[in-house]
Amino acid sequence: EVQLVESGGGLVQPGGSLRLSCAASGFTFSNYWMHWVRQAPGKGLVWVSCITSDGSTTTYADSVKGRFTISRDNAKHTLYLQMNSLRAEDTAVYYCARDAGVGFDHWGQGTLVTVSS
Amino acid sequence: SSELTQDPAVSVALGQTVRITCQGDSLRSYYASWYQQKPGQAPVLVIYDKNNRPSGIPDRFSGSSSGNTSSLTITGAQAEDEADYYCNSRDSSGNHWVFGGGTKLTVL
Repeated sequence: EVQLVESGGGLVQPGGSLRLSCAASGFTFSNYWMHWVRQAPGKGLVWVSCITSDGSTTTYADSVKGRFTISRDNAKHTLYLQMNSLRAEDTAVYYCARDAGVGFDHWGQGTLVTVSS
Repeated sequence: SSELTQDPAVSVALGQTVRITCQGDSLRSYYASWYQQKPGQAPVLVIYDKNNRPSGIPDRFSGSSSGNTSSLTITGAQAEDEADYYCNSRDSSGNHWVFGGGTKLTVL
């Protein structure tokens, strides 16, 4: 069974940093592109970032480029999102999602990030 | 353009058919995928590659595409279909992904 489990969310002050993790199991992690998607309270889904299967290429939404860094450790079957210079508008549930090539076919349960003083 | 546009809300009578649409320039180049999200839950992929369903998704869900518009159709809507629905595709550059704003479906 495919499982994606996010962790690392919490309360952080504006300007602070946080590192999210997404532990993958039940599939060959190194074969898949992976994404981070976020959802502010009461709002819609927003794509954040993508990383290719070998980690060689990353892309970011304009709203987080230069502040967030996506990475992966295929040996540990884990996806990461390093978030720096956090702003109030980054407050959201952050989901990791597996890219099946035709859509995001598996999602984690999400981890809540709250940016507030 | 990097936007996908959806109607904010749609309603359907129990057992009737409803179509949810998604418009955007990128849909001329890329198929949309569709996601169902119920309150407090993660999204679930319901349609990919224009009109394919992952295993476990009822066949009352179908997709179609024409020009810059993709559609999700639910034929014989059930109470459990009440949810938010989002479309998604790559943007026109192909380097980013984008979600529509979501459609809240109410089953009456």
